[in-house]
Amino acid sequence: DIQMTQSPSSLSASVGDRVTITCRASQSISRNLNWYQQTPGKVPRLLIYTASSLKSGVPSRFSGSGSGTDFTLTISGLQPEDFATYYCQQSYTLPWTFGQGTKVEIK
Amino acid sequence: EVQLVESGGGLVKPGGSLRLSCAASGFPFIDAWMNWVRQAPGKGLEFIGHIKSKRAGETTDYAAPVKGRFTISRDDSKNTVYLQMNSLKSEDTAVYHCVWESRPGEFGPWGQGTLVTVSS
Repeated sequence: DIQMTQSPSSLSASVGDRVTITCRASQSISRNLNWYQQTPGKVPRLLIYTASSLKSGVPSRFSGSGSGTDFTLTISGLQPEDFATYYCQQSYTLPWTFGQGTKVEIK
Repeated sequence: EVQLVESGGGLVKPGGSLRLSCAASGFPFIDAWMNWVRQAPGKGLEFIGHIKSKRAGETTDYAAPVKGRFTISRDDSKNTVYLQMNSLKSEDTAVYHCVWESRPGEFGPWGQGTLVTVSS
């Protein structure tokens, strides 16, 4: 199975900050990488698919990049509603696998 | 509106069995690839397994921790997907979500989930 490793596991940031989360795959997954956001008590929602495509309705301050084994999710200008846990997930081969999550907390 | 409603969760003893159901509506279920994803309390997301549509062969895939113990099936006449869980362990305690794989490998929408607690 492909292992997905996110870093950091958690971070503290202020409103307006630029935040970057990284995700590394244990083998090349081309651009088959998705990012999800989960706020407390809610189900996850898809933000980014195929590494850099923004899901309809997701604010443009979210962006994704990368290919192969290394990927990043960037939030440009953190908003109060962005404090949440973010997960990467590979869609290259079954079984699909998630990263362990990155919790973005208020500084 | 897409709706996914899970049921069947509860308290079960280690070694026991449980069957979860997920009733779907608001999208063409017969063509849908469906997944189960779980989240242990305070932990991250874990893919459990997946079933393709009948047109795609109705094949299933499972994550290593549940392979051989869990079985996913579907009844297209009832727009329902099932998760049969056998030989349950304490580490299977989690909220189990039913998820529509709207495009290959992409999860969403999600059901709200049903809690399974494995404890003596």
